[in-house]
Amino acid sequence: DAKTTQPPSMDCAEGRAANLPCNHSTISGNEYVYWYRQIHSQGPQYIIHGLKNNETNEMASLIITEDRKSSTLILPHATLRDTAVYYCIVRVHTGSARQLTFGSGTQLTVLP
Amino acid sequence: EPEVTQTPSHQVTQMGQEVILRCVPISNHLYFYWYRQILGQKVEFLVSFYNNEISEKSEIFDDQFSVERPDGSNFTLKIRSTKLEDSAMYFCASSSGTMRGAVYEQYFGPGTRLTVT
Repeated sequence: DAKTTQPPSMDCAEGRAANLPCNHSTISGNEYVYWYRQIHSQGPQYIIHGLKNNETNEMASLIITEDRKSSTLILPHATLRDTAVYYCIVRVHTGSARQLTFGSGTQLTVLP
Repeated sequence: EPEVTQTPSHQVTQMGQEVILRCVPISNHLYFYWYRQILGQKVEFLVSFYNNEISEKSEIFDDQFSVERPDGSNFTLKIRSTKLEDSAMYFCASSSGTMRGAVYEQYFGPGTRLTVT
């Protein structure tokens, strides 16, 4: 699975958009970009995934650059409850029970 | 909304004792996983399980660990002889066997905090 690079921490004002970047310059054509988050020692929570098109769901939007070497997770209106560690994970889908490899992630702090 | 549940939420045990951590995955899911997180460290994969067999395991998952799906709903992790360094948060996860965009997102439980004294 390709390696990812994320900033260790970011702050965001409540109500503003939070834009979390991720670099995955060695991503290969069949690897997906996943985002998970972990709110203080709770279990990681799936947010969104994408292959090459931009994606949006009720939680967030995922913007993947055309060359697929980087992506940005957007929380459009951050709340205090969005304070968490956000993980960008790149992984091949194989149809089998593949593990997720968590890095250090980005600690997002939403400020009142 | 269906969710993964884990029991107990906190387990304290003495070194050398056996522990069993229990998980109830989401009911129609077919793939099951255990991860652990030592305090202040990354989430680490332990093992994945499908069709009553281990699919993948990490170097952490040595002979002291075992997994079982004893019935149609529970998925357990057993540590035979606990060590101090087994103290961690243990997360169970499950994922669907149906293809949706060719992605199998994993849904995690709230975790069991294991403290070995």
